[in-house]
Parts: sequence; structure tokens; C-alpha cells
Amino acid sequence: AQSVTQLDSQVPVFEEAPVELRCNYSSSVSVYLFWYVQYPNQGLQLLLKYLSGSTLVKGINGFEAEFNKSQTSFHLRKPSVHISDTAEYFCAVSDPNSGGYQKVTFGTGTKLQVIP
Amino acid sequence: EAGVTQSPTHLIKTRGQQATLRCSPISGHTSVYWYQQALGLGLQFLLWYDEGEERNRGNFPPRFSGRQFPNYSSELNVNALELEDSALYLCASSRIGLDRAGGNTIYFGEGSWLTVV
Repeated sequence: AQSVTQLDSQVPVFEEAPVELRCNYSSSVSVYLFWYVQYPNQGLQLLLKYLSGSTLVKGINGFEAEFNKSQTSFHLRKPSVHISDTAEYFCAVSDPNSGGYQKVTFGTGTKLQVIP
Repeated sequence: EAGVTQSPTHLIKTRGQQATLRCSPISGHTSVYWYQQALGLGLQFLLWYDEGEERNRGNFPPRFSGRQFPNYSSELNVNALELEDSALYLCASSRIGLDRAGGNTIYFGEGSWLTVV
């Protein structure tokens, strides 16, 4: 069974500083990986996804993530955060052979707090 | 293009009652997913409907049920409400095409807050 661990429940960072949100997964098979963002009182929005190919994935709003198979990680990074990045970020994994999103497993989320 | 819409935004029910939540997918999307986001538990997969049929369900008791209508909108019903059912219920939709396995982007609604008192 696959699982996702987001070790940091909250990450405070000053505006314009870089940030890394950590995500580790456990799966015995190949995986698809996702990062979603949830702004206050809103639904989830896809930031980026890794399906295959280049291990460095670029997403919206200047975020990027790197798939590291040996470390089973998919950390999310941004070189310079803005106040508007304050939100909760969810890492998710799915099995490419599962036939869809019904088998997507989400992490418990990391709250990014950008401090002015 | 309208996104995934959910109603009601907030719902307060007492223990033992039934709650019905509604979801309209993005036009052209045939798959609808329901997730429960309870405090501290992250997102838990509830149900997946595609083309009017239930395709899969998560590890939830049978009192969580739903259906998908011919226009692809969906309802989630929670019977015999318990206090721990209090959560944000998120609906999502995707277009199931040739690239079935995860390649389709899934779009989430803004959720329905259910509070059971």
C-alpha cells in the first residue's frame, strides 16, 4: 500500500526567502506524484505533477518539485515566497496502474505561513 | 469555464440526521470524486463515480453513499450522522479519456463544511 508523509505540519518563512516543503512516499511500484495547494476557504488546486520523464517538474506560481526515486521524495521548492503563497500544501501519490484518481493517497498537509 | 461547484457551502446537522451534499463537475467531465477532509486526518478518498456508476469507494461505512445523475452531477449522502463526520467534504472531477491512470488533471470544488452537533 502506498503512503505519503509530510513531516512538517507548519512552515513559517519570511517573505522573499526560499522555501522547501518536504514529501516522502512509500510505494513498491512506480508512482505518479502531485502537489496541491489549498488557499483559505477554497478547494484544492493542482500545483504540479510528475508522471514520467524529467525529474524536475515546474508548476504554477513559480513552484517546482524534484522526484528522487532513490530517496522516495518529492520535495516542493520556491526560491522566493510571496505573502500570497500562504496556504496549505498537500503532497499526493497514485499508482499508475490503478486506473484513475480513486487510489490517490494524500499527505496530511503542510501549512506555509509567509511572514511579512 | 465554470469550475466544480458544490452546495451547500456550510451545513449544520444534529447527530442521527442525514446530510446531502451536491456537486456539479466541470462541463465535459464524466468522473466525480468525493473526499473527506477531517481535522488532522488529511484527505480521505470516499467515492468515485464515472458515467453514472460507482467505480470505487474508500474505507468508509455504508452510511456514506451517493449517486451520479445523467448530467454527471453527483450527490453524497451521509446517514445516521455522527459527531466525527464533521469535516470539509471536497468534490473533484476529471475527464476520463485515453490517459486514464493519473494523467488527467483533477479539479476540486471549494468544498462543503458539514458540522454535526
